[in-house]
Amino acid sequence: EVQLVQSGAEVKKPGESLKISCKGSGYSFTSYWIGWVRQMPGKGLEWMGIIYPGDSDTRYSPSFQGQVTISADKSISTAYLQWSSLKASDTAMYYCAKGATAYYFDYWGQGTLVTVSS
Amino acid sequence: NFMLTQPHSVSESPGKTVTISCTRSSGSIASNYVQWYQQRPGSSPTTVIYEDNQRPSGVPDRFSGSIDSSSNSASLTISGLKTEDEADYYCQSYDSSNYWVFGGGTKLTVL
Repeated sequence: EVQLVQSGAEVKKPGESLKISCKGSGYSFTSYWIGWVRQMPGKGLEWMGIIYPGDSDTRYSPSFQGQVTISADKSISTAYLQWSSLKASDTAMYYCAKGATAYYFDYWGQGTLVTVSS
Repeated sequence: NFMLTQPHSVSESPGKTVTISCTRSSGSIASNYVQWYQQRPGSSPTTVIYEDNQRPSGVPDRFSGSIDSSSNSASLTISGLKTEDEADYYCQSYDSSNYWVFGGGTKLTVL
């Protein structure tokens, strides 16, 4: 059974760093893209970027390029989304999802709620 | 890059049929596959249509997808509406550089 299990909710202050995780199981982690999607409170889905764990090929949405870092550790089948300096506007639910192909998701994680507040 | 525009909301009665549109702003809708995701309140999204008109296993055949090159749009049609279909629906596509785009989402109310 394919599963994506994300790390727990985080409460951070502006300016702090953060790294959230997404552990894949039940499939060949290195053979499929993994992506990250932001959903701000009461808003729609926004594609942030994707990574191919097999060779670490990474694509970012222009809206998120330079704002976050997507990485993966294939030895533990885990993908990461990282911020170096959080802002209040980063408050959102973040989903990881497995790419069935390079252009759509077939399985989603449960989401990680990130709250940034002073 | 391009945008995908969806109606903000639609509503229909149980047992009826509803269609949600997704219009691509530039570039041909037919040049890259369109997917549709369902997100029920408080839940993660799930895929209901991929590659324009394909249903994942487990998705009822009441859900169907199509594209219309003349209007440069894709559509999700749900027939025999059930109250459990009440959710937000998002279309998604991508460009030649493999940058993905989501539509703004459509809230479906079944009343």
